[in-house]
Amino acid sequence: DSGVTQTPKHLITATGQRVTLRCSPRSGDLSVYWYQQSLDQGLQFLIQYYNGEERAKGNILERFSAQQFPDLHSELNLSSLELGDSALYFCASSVGGRGWETQYFGPGTRLLVL
Amino acid sequence: GENVEQHPSTLSVQEGDSAVIKCTYSDSASNYFPWYKQELGKRPQLIIDIRSNVGEKKDQRIAVTLNKTAKHFSLHITETQPEDSAVYFCAAFTNTGNQFYFGTGTSLTVIP
Repeated sequence: DSGVTQTPKHLITATGQRVTLRCSPRSGDLSVYWYQQSLDQGLQFLIQYYNGEERAKGNILERFSAQQFPDLHSELNLSSLELGDSALYFCASSVGGRGWETQYFGPGTRLLVL
Repeated sequence: GENVEQHPSTLSVQEGDSAVIKCTYSDSASNYFPWYKQELGKRPQLIIDIRSNVGEKKDQRIAVTLNKTAKHFSLHITETQPEDSAVYFCAAFTNTGNQFYFGTGTSLTVIP
């Protein structure tokens, strides 16, 4: 157990809908990273937040957004969902904001868009 | 942007043999290279990492080597065991936009 929690574990929804994925980092970690893992695209970095501020942005679609709250938990919002958004979404946390720090991954949220 | 290529995509070895997985990257601003192990249905777990100011790092049966000039880095697993069977991902962190880029993964099977 990495200490990073993600909810929900599974999510099934329909095209066009909006969902929110939640991540709680390890105690003491200030950074949260979001990743998407799909069969055709592999593992992709979406976005990083550090202590409430956006630190880095990867291949995140405009339909997706994220935020990190004062208690350091983070939410990833996915809207206007398409079939191709079906994937495993991981969050990870690290102590600081530098990319070379060890990241601890959560168990992931499996999203299925029908 | 950065491009990370990983080879081979699948690898089968006999128990006790060594396994080597290679990655190349394109962005000279990349300076941190972690390797992750992901078992089926589970989260990626960091197994070893290397910074660009180091050429080699070892942790028991696992080692990583980095050649900055050639822009490639490799994962070496010695004395493989069945529990080493998993998908392994390499990654590169680049200061260009503070981004992580991942390889496409290598499915390692260790045959008892």
